[in-house]
Amino acid sequence: DGGITQSPKYLFRKEGQNVTLSCEQNLNHDAMYWYRQDPGQGLRLIYYSQIVNDFQKGDIAEGYSVSREKKESFPLTVTSAQKNPTAFYLCASSAEGLGTYEQYFGPGTRLTVT
Amino acid sequence: AQSVAQPEDQVNVAEGNPLTVKCTYSVSGNPYLFWYVQYPNRGLQFLLKYITGDNLVKGSYGFEAEFNKSQTSFHLKKPSALVSDSALYFCAVRDIVEYGNKLVFGAGTILRVKS
Repeated sequence: DGGITQSPKYLFRKEGQNVTLSCEQNLNHDAMYWYRQDPGQGLRLIYYSQIVNDFQKGDIAEGYSVSREKKESFPLTVTSAQKNPTAFYLCASSAEGLGTYEQYFGPGTRLTVT
Repeated sequence: AQSVAQPEDQVNVAEGNPLTVKCTYSVSGNPYLFWYVQYPNRGLQFLLKYITGDNLVKGSYGFEAEFNKSQTSFHLKKPSALVSDSALYFCAVRDIVEYGNKLVFGAGTILRVKS
C-alpha cells in the first residue's frame, strides 16, 4: 500500500447524502484510478485519469464524480444518485509513461450507506 | 474487449505443497498480464507481470507464473505454500482504451492454505 493513501478507512453515511473519498499518491504517477469492489465480482472501474485536469468514465461511472486538480490527488464523490453505494472503494495509480502498466493500490475505504 | 477468467472460486492446499491458481485470458494483440493479492480489508498488492520475454515470470514472495500462449493461460504458482499465503488472488489484463490504459480484473480466487 506504500505511496498511496486513502481516507478514511471506514465511512458511514445516511442515504441521500453525498460523500467524498480521498486518494493521495506520492509516487509521481501520472495515471490514477478508482475501483469499486463487491463480493464475488472482482474490481470494476469507476473513473480514471491519465493526466491532471482530465478524467474519463470507466465501466460504472453513474452516480459518481471525480476531479483531478493536482497530480497527487484524485478524490471520488459518491452522490445520492448512486443506487447501491455500499462497497469497498480502491484507488490506484500507475506510471503510464514508462510502459510498465502495473497499478499500485491504496488500502481502500469501506463505505456503508444506510 | 480484453478479458480474463479465473475458473476456480476457491483453491485449498496443504502447507508445504505446491499451489496453482488458474487464469485464462482473451485478448486481441499481445497480452499484458498481471497477478495481484489481496488480504482482508486491504488494498491489492502487485505480485508479478508478463509483458514479453521468458514465459516463466518470477515475482514477489516466491510466486511465479507461467505464460502459455497456445492455451491462453497465465497460471500463478508457488512450489511450497505457506499458511500466510491464504488470501484473495486476482488475475488482470491490460486493455487499451481511448484515453490510456486500464486493467480488467478476473473475479478472484480465494486461496486457503491449511497447516
